[in-house]
Amino acid sequence: GNSVTQMEGPVTLSEEAFLTINCTYTATGYPSLFWYVQYPGEGLQLLLKATKADDKGSNKGFEATYRKETTSFHLEKGSVQVSDSAVYFCALSGRYSSASKIIFGSGTRLSIRP
Amino acid sequence: DVKVTQSSRYLVKRTGEKVFLECVQDMDHENMFWYRQDPGLGLRLIYFSYDVKMKEKGDIPEGYSVSREKKERFSLILESASTNQTSMYLCASSPRSTGPNPMNTEAFFGQGTRLTVV
Repeated sequence: GNSVTQMEGPVTLSEEAFLTINCTYTATGYPSLFWYVQYPGEGLQLLLKATKADDKGSNKGFEATYRKETTSFHLEKGSVQVSDSAVYFCALSGRYSSASKIIFGSGTRLSIRP
Repeated sequence: DVKVTQSSRYLVKRTGEKVFLECVQDMDHENMFWYRQDPGLGLRLIYFSYDVKMKEKGDIPEGYSVSREKKERFSLILESASTNQTSMYLCASSPRSTGPNPMNTEAFFGQGTRLTVV
């Protein structure tokens, strides 16, 4: 079945450091891939997405490229800020019955030190 | 903006009680979902619905049921609450994709309900 594996946290970095959070997936067909972010005390919100191979999603300085050959969708940011502290979830959408179902990884908690 | 509203942020219930968690969305989305979020386990799908009165089991449906009598409302029911159902519950909705890729629609989430069963 479809699944998502992302690197375990927590990840602690200093402000302005480079960030990578790894995500790999297993899926049949051609899923779309997402990164969601959950700030403290809030629900999840979409950070970026890519819908086909070699697409690059980007938002708020974050980027991720849909790599079909390595089944990966790693999240990167060149210079993190304290406000980026949150839990990040990699996810894919898969066809199920008459709806698309989104499957999530276990989440990676990111803490940025000033 | 899409708004998904869950009726309670925090709930405390006793073992054996019947518990109702309510979710309402205001964007006329066809799909609605209930997840639970536990540390180290990510989000696990309990049930989802792709139309009024239609429902499908997710990955962990045991001990739960759902109701979707109106398009905008999706209720999660714990028939007899147990302590292992203490968790954060997240509701989400998404539109049915009309494009060539049926799987590229994003989900919009509510704030979550933190349920404690004592």
